[in-house]
Amino acid sequence: ETGVTQSPTHLIKTRGQQVTLRCSSQSGHNTVSWYQQALGQGPQFIFQYYREEENGRGNFPPRFSGLQFPNYSSELNVNALELDDSALYLCASSLEIGYGYTFGSGTRLTVV
Amino acid sequence: AQTVTQSQPEMSVQEAETVTLSCTYDTSESDYYLFWYKQPPSRQMILVIRQEAYKQQNATENRFSVNFQKAAKSFSLKISDSQLGDAAMYFCAYSRPGNTGKLIFGQGTTLQVKP
Repeated sequence: ETGVTQSPTHLIKTRGQQVTLRCSSQSGHNTVSWYQQALGQGPQFIFQYYREEENGRGNFPPRFSGLQFPNYSSELNVNALELDDSALYLCASSLEIGYGYTFGSGTRLTVV
Repeated sequence: AQTVTQSQPEMSVQEAETVTLSCTYDTSESDYYLFWYKQPPSRQMILVIRQEAYKQQNATENRFSVNFQKAAKSFSLKISDSQLGDAAMYFCAYSRPGNTGKLIFGQGTTLQVKP
C-alpha cells in the first residue's frame, strides 16, 4: 500500500482561472470522495465517484467537476475560481463505498 | 438533513490527564455511523474511532473511548492518559451505513496538550 497522494500540496491561482487538483489512490480503491475544508472549519462533501461514475454530490455548483480514472487516480476541476474557493481540498478513497476511507494530506488552494 | 455540532472550539489538557470532547448531531434516521477523526498539522484526516448506531456498547480503541447516547443524539470522545502527540484538531462526523465516503463533519475542536 502506498497511501493516498494528492498533488500539488500548495497552489495559488487568480480569480476567474481554472484549476485541476489530483489524487492518487491505493490500488484497488474503486471509490473516491472529495471534500473542501475552509480555514478553521470542518470538511464539506463535494462529490463522490465510484467506478468512474459520479455517485453523489454535495451542495456545490457545477463549476466543481471531477473525473475518476481506471488507474485509481482522480481529479477535481474548478472553473471560474472565486476568492471563496480558497481552502484545503481533501480526497479520500476506499475499496468500496461502505468500507473505511483513507484520506490524503490535501491541496491548499489560494485564490487571489 | 443531518447536522453535526461541536460546541467546544478549543480544549486543553495536561499530559497524562483525561479530556472529553463533545459532539451532538441531528438525524431522523435510526441507523447510521458516527466517527471521530484527528487532523494534525500534517493535514491528513486520521480515523480515531467509529461507532455503529445499532450497537449499544460504546466503542473503545486503546486510550480512546466514546460515550454514545442515541436518545440524546450525543457522541463524546474521551482521551485517557493524554500524550503530546494527541494535540490536533478533532472532528466528529456522521454517515449513513451504506456510504461512509459521504461524511458530514462538525466544526472541529482544537486540542492542546500541555507538558
